[in-house]
Amino acid sequence: DAGITQSPRHKVTETGTPVTLRCHQTENHRYMYWYRQDPGHGLRLIHYSYGVKDTDKGEVSDGYSVSRSKTEDFLLTLESATSSQTSVYFCAITGTGANTDTQYFGPGTRLTVL
Amino acid sequence: DQQVKQNSPSLSVQEGRISILNCDYTNSMFDYFLWYKKYPAEGPTFLISISSIKDKNEDGRFTVFLNKSAKHLSLHIVPSQPGDSAVYFCAASAMNRDDKIIFGKGTRLHILP
Repeated sequence: DAGITQSPRHKVTETGTPVTLRCHQTENHRYMYWYRQDPGHGLRLIHYSYGVKDTDKGEVSDGYSVSRSKTEDFLLTLESATSSQTSVYFCAITGTGANTDTQYFGPGTRLTVL
Repeated sequence: DQQVKQNSPSLSVQEGRISILNCDYTNSMFDYFLWYKKYPAEGPTFLISISSIKDKNEDGRFTVFLNKSAKHLSLHIVPSQPGDSAVYFCAASAMNRDDKIIFGKGTRLHILP
């Protein structure tokens, strides 16, 4: 298994509070991704990173920000959580790019915003 | 607009029979296609992939077929086993955007005893 961990694994928070999810990898992979999975929507890309301090938006980036200050960690922040951000969040990594390499996923973080 | 479509939300197949999961795409720039499998409370895991230069790729019980003219791919599982019950995601990436892939909404496969 690829060395990917996510923390926390479960979180319940209230609307308007800031939340930070962490993805940590031990594979030294260049690319890291944040997805959310919702019923009827599959996996949707939020943000991704192609190197330290290099990030770009995905298809559902509004309300989210990311940071990558070192290769092994990719943080997803909800500045002011809303109920629509209740979801399961997955981090993924890949070595050489998504069009030539497999993405390995973390175990997920279940976030509930009340 | 959805670029990768899995039009069957669920599929039930008898154990031992063939399972066929379908996927359609709209972006003609897609050149690499993947299938992922997901069990409840776990992250998706890679199953099989195919490049647009091929029309078939086989790995054990799993075969992916690609029909570029129809912009259609399918995953065949033969024979189906109880452990194959999961959600299957089709995904695709484009040659001009090598850093991300687009996922379909998934198909839940139930293998019946």
